[in-house]
Amino acid sequence: NAGVTQTPKFRVLKTGQSMTLLCAQDMNHEYMYWYRQDPGMGLRLIHYSVGEGTTAKGEVPDGYNVSRLKKQNFLLGLESAAPSQTSVYFCASSYSSPLSYGYTFGSGTRLTVV
Amino acid sequence: RKEVEQDPGPFNVPEGATVAFNCTYSNSASQSFFWYRQDCRKEPKLLMSVYSSGNEDGRFTAQLNRASQYISLLIRDSKLSDSATYLCVVNSNTGNQFYFGTGTSLTVIP
Repeated sequence: NAGVTQTPKFRVLKTGQSMTLLCAQDMNHEYMYWYRQDPGMGLRLIHYSVGEGTTAKGEVPDGYNVSRLKKQNFLLGLESAAPSQTSVYFCASSYSSPLSYGYTFGSGTRLTVV
Repeated sequence: RKEVEQDPGPFNVPEGATVAFNCTYSNSASQSFFWYRQDCRKEPKLLMSVYSSGNEDGRFTAQLNRASQYISLLIRDSKLSDSATYLCVVNSNTGNQFYFGTGTSLTVIP
């Protein structure tokens, strides 16, 4: 049971390049989330999904897009990377509403934009 | 005002000590509260939920004070392996989102 898997684990991008981060979970979870973590800022929600085919904006959605075409996968896209998007990105999932169960996180993607 | 605020520390305590962290939250309608643990360069992992009546899991005790809008985490008999950053987590109005504190750093010293 792999849990929540994120790929890639590390990436360096040049300003203006695009990329997609993949999050896959094998726990049949309905809810999936993308967070970014920056020093002194804590984790901030970028986008989330409450089920296949649905997405919603979080606190800091600008510059990112997401898709949830399959229940097990949640993709985060950066269309035109900026240095301000240098961060550690965590994907998380929850069986149903996380009010009771909390999240399971992936191991993170460390992204540097130069 | 931030949704969730924590003292960043660091807290440096000797093995065997008791240490407590507090976390304040701004939304009086919040229903769900958690403590997560995050090791250096790792993902956060759920430590425990926080229930209205307070709850205990081994050496860890979590409490909620709705009147003053804070939650606390007490660690007894600290171990070296307890060294980590502890994140306070509180749900939003909609319930589908959670707000994370910036974390409190704990180092347990031999």
